[in-house]
Amino acid sequence: DGGITQSPKYLFRKEGQNVTLSCEQNLNHDAMYWYRQDPGQGLRLIYYSQIVNDFQKGDIAEGYSVSREKKESFPLTVTSAQKNPTAFYLCASSLGGGGIDTQYFGPGTRLTVL
Amino acid sequence: AQSVTQLDSQVPVFEEAPVELRCNYSSSVSVYLFWYVQYPNQGLQLLLKYLSGSTLVKGINGFEAEFNKSQTSFHLRKPSVHISDTAEYFCAVTLNQAGTALIFGKGTTLSVSS
Repeated sequence: DGGITQSPKYLFRKEGQNVTLSCEQNLNHDAMYWYRQDPGQGLRLIYYSQIVNDFQKGDIAEGYSVSREKKESFPLTVTSAQKNPTAFYLCASSLGGGGIDTQYFGPGTRLTVL
Repeated sequence: AQSVTQLDSQVPVFEEAPVELRCNYSSSVSVYLFWYVQYPNQGLQLLLKYLSGSTLVKGINGFEAEFNKSQTSFHLRKPSVHISDTAEYFCAVTLNQAGTALIFGKGTTLSVSS
């Protein structure tokens, strides 16, 4: 089955730790995205990548980092510089990076800072 | 810059009643419009999208939406809701150009009761 997988489903982090969230897709999509979801805030874009080895900051990139070494993988690292990381994180992908291409979402990772 | 406003944060309805979830957008250029649904602790699923052509768009699960350019609206409707439609609904907008990501509204929680 084609789709997007995110792991882990739940993640707990101590203050001061970096953590990495995994996102993998087997849809052969060029573009991938990371969003953060907070209650009552909708989804906000963290980073996106239109092609391997290239990515751009979204609206709330501070305290996050990404890499795109393979077409199918787009991991997100939440660094200790992110002051309020507790949230639901969603990864998405689309065939191309243009707006006409539908974005498909993974099941999400819920990160909690202890 | 583009923006999306979902006019109701919560909409309670009884089963088999009609429902309308309101969405207004702001943009100085042509946009593409989307409605996504999110069930608890899951990712987002595309309900329908407007790219061009007919202003009445039909989607999955009996939902439809009408694009109104003069009122910059894209309201979502269903003539008869079911308990299983209880979820959060997001309206989103994007541009027809490379390197653009979705801009989401803050979401509307639809609660269907018997």
